[in-house]
Amino acid sequence: AQSVTQLDSQVPVFEEAPVELRCNYSSSVSVYLFWYVQYPNQGLQLLLKYLSGSTLVKGINGFEAEFNKSQTSFHLRKPSVHISDTAEYFCAVISVNDYKLSFGAGTTVTVRA
Amino acid sequence: NAGVTQTPKFRVLKTGQSMTLLCAQDMNHEYMYWYRQDPGMGLRLIHYSVGEGTTAKGEVPDGYNVSRLKKQNFLLGLESAAPSQTSVYFCASSLPGTGRTEAFFGQGTRLTVV
Repeated sequence: AQSVTQLDSQVPVFEEAPVELRCNYSSSVSVYLFWYVQYPNQGLQLLLKYLSGSTLVKGINGFEAEFNKSQTSFHLRKPSVHISDTAEYFCAVISVNDYKLSFGAGTTVTVRA
Repeated sequence: NAGVTQTPKFRVLKTGQSMTLLCAQDMNHEYMYWYRQDPGMGLRLIHYSVGEGTTAKGEVPDGYNVSRLKKQNFLLGLESAAPSQTSVYFCASSLPGTGRTEAFFGQGTRLTVV
């Protein structure tokens, strides 16, 4: 079975500052990794995904994430945030043997002017 | 292109009542999932299905049943609702083994059990 740990439950950040959201996972088999964003009262939208290949993946809205197999991490970054980035962010993994999709507890990002 | 559609969007139940939440997808996805979202706990998997006629338990299956009689539909049932089942429920679908392994989500169903 796999598990996902998001190390920060809340991240306040000023507009135009950089942000990093940390995600660690554990699994006995290979996994695919995802970051989703949820705006208030909405469903989840995919930001980016890592399936294979380059460990640095770029997503929508200027976000990127780096897969680190040795540290079992998949941290999300954005060099300069906007007020509109205020949302909850979820890290998720799918194991390649059963395709069960598991989520972390989420990180709430609040961007202030 | 509707994607994943959940009905209803809101519902209030009395303790002990039953109801069924419907999830429909039009993307010909094999996998479908039901989650509940509670503050500070992320999304927890209730049940999932890897294809028509198959279902499997997730992390928090107790008090819920599911059925996947048609590939495009995944039903979540509450036989006897309890206040602890007050939550936001999300359905998702995916097509593993392709370049689009990510799950696509519905807009959610907000359920209150009083």
